[in-house]
Amino acid sequence: NAGVTQTPKFRILKIGQSMTLQCTQDMNHNYMYWYRQDPGMGLKLIYYSVGAGITDKGEVPNGYNVSRSTTEDFPLRLELAAPSQTSVYFCASKDRTVSYNSPLHFGNGTRLTVT
Amino acid sequence: AQKVTQAQTEISVVEKEDVTLDCVYETRDTTYYLFWYKQPPSGELVFLIRRNSFDEQNEISGRYSWNFQKSTSSFNFTITASQVVDSAVYFCALSEAGMDSSYKLIFGSGTRLLVRP
Repeated sequence: NAGVTQTPKFRILKIGQSMTLQCTQDMNHNYMYWYRQDPGMGLKLIYYSVGAGITDKGEVPNGYNVSRSTTEDFPLRLELAAPSQTSVYFCASKDRTVSYNSPLHFGNGTRLTVT
Repeated sequence: AQKVTQAQTEISVVEKEDVTLDCVYETRDTTYYLFWYKQPPSGELVFLIRRNSFDEQNEISGRYSWNFQKSTSSFNFTITASQVVDSAVYFCALSEAGMDSSYKLIFGSGTRLLVRP
């Protein structure tokens, strides 16, 4: 099992460009999450999904979109990149069927810089 | 609403000292879960422990111990005889069911621990 895989690892965008951060998991987890971590700060929830076809906003959804067409994939889309979106992005998944308090499995992060 | 407060932004200790990282949480739910994660300089997030709201038993794992007190809404983390490898950012996090049973994990801002040789 690869766990949670995020691509790319690093990316530099110009203001106004768009991109998709990819996230895939091979553990058949139904719950998936996107977080951002700004320098010296904790993680803020952007979007989450409790299953294929279902997504919902977290604490900081503005400027982002997501989709969940399959159980495995949960891509995060930035339509018009802004410097405020410079951050490290973490994707995570959880197996709800095992236990309500299952820990999140995190990917290794995507470091995004918008200049 | 959920909230997790880690008031200590940064702690610096000398190796072999004991250190306690504080975590205070707010929730309206009676059923909730608390977690600690470690983020070493390499950047990945490492799960350390989870606790549910019905289990106030303290836990010890090697040099790590956790003190959960519902009366003070605290879930503190102690490292005994700290080592340089313990240097990392430590996050406390809270999960509750929410309206959609999504069990979103809400993180504190983290405490950066520096253990000096």
